[in-house]
Amino acid sequence: KAGVTQTPRYLIKTRGQQVTLSCSPISGHRSVSWYQQTPGQGLQFLFEYFSETQRNKGNFPGRFSGRQFSNSRSEMNVSTLELGDSALYLCASSLGSGGAREQFFGPGTRLTVL
Amino acid sequence: GESVGLHLPTLSVQEGDNSIINCAYSNSASDYFIWYKQESGKGPQFIIDIRSNMDKRQGQRVTVLLNKTVKHLSLQIAATQPGDSAVYFCAVYPNTGNQFYFGTGTSLTVIP
Repeated sequence: KAGVTQTPRYLIKTRGQQVTLSCSPISGHRSVSWYQQTPGQGLQFLFEYFSETQRNKGNFPGRFSGRQFSNSRSEMNVSTLELGDSALYLCASSLGSGGAREQFFGPGTRLTVL
Repeated sequence: GESVGLHLPTLSVQEGDNSIINCAYSNSASDYFIWYKQESGKGPQFIIDIRSNMDKRQGQRVTVLLNKTVKHLSLQIAATQPGDSAVYFCAVYPNTGNQFYFGTGTSLTVIP
């Protein structure tokens, strides 16, 4: 069974631009969570989608948004990029939503903002 | 919420020795825990999990111990191999919350 895939793997943008990242969960998994990983902060929760609905949201500004499609694939968008948005963005998929459950990560998208 | 900390940011062990990586959490309502391994340039890899109704769980060469009294979690790796070199971090899920909280990770280096 294929794992979680994320595209693109690397991205370089300049301040003020916007970016869209994509995540395809493990087949059969309907929940996708997004995280930002930086050396100083570790993994920070952005949001979770299940059945095309945002179920939970972390403490990030409104510039960070996402959506999920009927096939469970998810996209994350960051608008008006700032230097501090440079990070590894990870998505993780789970079979269900709500409560504690196994969560599997993709390889991440490395975003560099210049 | 939840606050998760790791006791050591780095750990070096000789090949063949056992490794112990520790994690402390703050919320006594936390009831599900996962250990992840992250190699350079890769996403976190699920190693083993444990729920709060257990004190110990074993996998292949790994054991997770949970001490709910002192809110402490540890990962033991037996007969550590060079391929075990990576960053390890714990993820904690409070039953009163809606997200995982992560430690910042311990970088394990295995010396051949």
